[in-house]
Amino acid sequence: ETGVTQSPTHLIKTRGQQVTLRCSSQSGHNTVSWYQQALGQGPQFIFQYYREEENGRGNFPPRFSGLQFPNYSSELNVNALELDDSALYLCASSFGQSNEKLFFGSGTQLSVL
Amino acid sequence: GESVGLHLPTLSVQEGDNSIINCAYSNSASDYFIWYKQESGKGPQFIIDIRSNMDKRQGQRVTVLLNKTVKHLSLQIAATQPGDSAVYFCAENIIQGAQKLVFGQGTRLTINP
Repeated sequence: ETGVTQSPTHLIKTRGQQVTLRCSSQSGHNTVSWYQQALGQGPQFIFQYYREEENGRGNFPPRFSGLQFPNYSSELNVNALELDDSALYLCASSFGQSNEKLFFGSGTQLSVL
Repeated sequence: GESVGLHLPTLSVQEGDNSIINCAYSNSASDYFIWYKQESGKGPQFIIDIRSNMDKRQGQRVTVLLNKTVKHLSLQIAATQPGDSAVYFCAENIIQGAQKLVFGQGTRLTINP
């Protein structure tokens, strides 16, 4: 167990809807990163939050947004869902913007119909 | 563009044999590398890491080798066990403002009894 928890574990939405995924970071970690993992692929970096601010972003459109709260937990929001958004969404936490020994949660499996 | 690739998408080995999983990375400025193991329905699990100023690091039954000259990374698993069956990803840490991990597509390791 890494101490990174994500909810929900599974989610089914329809195209055009909005979704919010949640993540609690490992105790002592103040940085949260989100990754998208399509079936059969490696995870792809969406963005990172550090001290409640977005600290870097991958090649994802603005309809992917996030928040980090004072307790360092985080949310990933996706608006106007598309079929290609179906994937496993992974949250990972670390300390001080570093990816050293980045620990992942078990992910949220999102299916868009 | 940036990418981390793997030479073989699948690898089958006999139980008790040693396994070697290879990975090519593209960014010569990457300063840190991680190997992850991912079992079905779970998030990536940290196995071992190595900094760019090292060429070898050993853990329990695992060894990571880094050849910066040819931008190659390998994971060696000694005395492979059935529990080692999983998809293995290498990831390189790229610093572009924020730090992000770039993952390869993964290698599926299957252990034959």
